Amino acid sequence: DTGVSQNPRHKITKRGQNVTFRCDPISEHNRLYWYRQTLGQGPEFLTYFQNEAQLEKSRLLSDRFSAERPKGSFSTLEIQRTEQGDSAMYLCASSAIAKNIQYFGAGTRLSVL
Amino acid sequence: GENVEQHPSTLSVQEGDSAVIKCTYSDSASNYFPWYKQELGKGPQLIIDIRSNVGEKKDQRIAVTLNKTAKHFSLHITETQPEDSAVYFCAASLGTGGFKTIFGAGTRLFVKA
Repeated sequence: DTGVSQNPRHKITKRGQNVTFRCDPISEHNRLYWYRQTLGQGPEFLTYFQNEAQLEKSRLLSDRFSAERPKGSFSTLEIQRTEQGDSAMYLCASSAIAKNIQYFGAGTRLSVL
Repeated sequence: GENVEQHPSTLSVQEGDSAVIKCTYSDSASNYFPWYKQELGKGPQLIIDIRSNVGEKKDQRIAVTLNKTAKHFSLHITETQPEDSAVYFCAASLGTGGFKTIFGAGTRLFVKA
């Protein structure tokens, strides 16, 4: 069990650029979650997948954000036309259907200059 | 909407003393309450959880209590050690059938040696 893996760990980009993050969940977990965490705050729910289906999206997920999980394994989160307000830690978590226990990756820290 | 409030935001204790962190939640349908510990540069790690059908759960030096009537739950750490220093988050979710997890804002615990 290698845990939840996120890449890259850090991303620095200029405002207006597009960025894409990847999450590899624990292999037998079919649920995958994306969260955003800003300094001094708890993680905020963005979206959730069960297998390849995106079942829930937060109001926080503007139309510049898109997430995919095409084969029900790894997932990508893309942010288009990045803004300085997008600077945050983006966390991925996964869980198994039998239990809603979410295991988190180390996150991708995004800095938009 | 759903909300989880967490207090205190900062807690400083002497090594060996106990630490208590309290949370309240707004959605009465919530039935799963995990607690996470987050160290610098890492994702949140589950330390203990409780489901709505029990009032208390203990794991070595860590215990969690739940009062569903009052919609509040607490984390108790006894015999604190310097390595307990971290940010702790409480969370509430609907468990099976609803997977959006709402996190508190976190408590930064300092354990002084």
